[in-house]
Amino acid sequence: SQTIHQWPATLVQPVGSPLSLECTVEGTSNPNLYWYRQAAGRGLQLLFYSVGIGQISSEVPQNLSASRPQDRQFILSSKKLLLSDSGFYLCAWADSRIDQPQHFGDGTRLSIL
Amino acid sequence: KQEVTQIPAALSVPEGENLVLNCSFTDSAIYNLQWFRQDPGKGLTSLLLIQSSQREQTSGRLNASLDKSSGRSTLYIAASQPGDSATYLCAVRGFQKLVFGTGTRLLVSP
Repeated sequence: SQTIHQWPATLVQPVGSPLSLECTVEGTSNPNLYWYRQAAGRGLQLLFYSVGIGQISSEVPQNLSASRPQDRQFILSSKKLLLSDSGFYLCAWADSRIDQPQHFGDGTRLSIL
Repeated sequence: KQEVTQIPAALSVPEGENLVLNCSFTDSAIYNLQWFRQDPGKGLTSLLLIQSSQREQTSGRLNASLDKSSGRSTLYIAASQPGDSATYLCAVRGFQKLVFGTGTRLLVSP
């Protein structure tokens, strides 16, 4: 069966520090991968998605970037964090076939001080 | 641009009640619709997936319907239990992406 791992579960970072969040998927090949952010009291906002290694689509201009160095690895990064980057970050995967559901990781709670 | 709305934003019911959560979307050109559950501080758990050609899907006490032409979906929960307390999110699938509603926060009291 497929599983998705996301870490760390919680992270407290100072303003201006770098960020790296990692997500890996097991049990499937060539998945579509997604990064979402959920700010307090707001819905899920799609940040990036990837349909293959090295292929990244950005949904909103921001202080963050994403990379997919391996088929089942998706990384969210920032060179300098802003206060507004605080939130709950969720990674998700889906089979490339359009009729399949998305599955989510447990999320990372990021607090910027 | 697709917009997804969920009503009500919050719902409180006593245990045992049957209840309906609503989801509406503005663009009927969707591939499917997915209902999720989110517990506080946790990720999303997929509950039901309805393809655009389907009218409903059932899983245990949950039944989801889809009326694509009118841009509506409902999630019916039968015989609610305190363990059903969570936020319920619907999301519609475009070509590559899901667009989420803001959710309905459900509290089922013993």
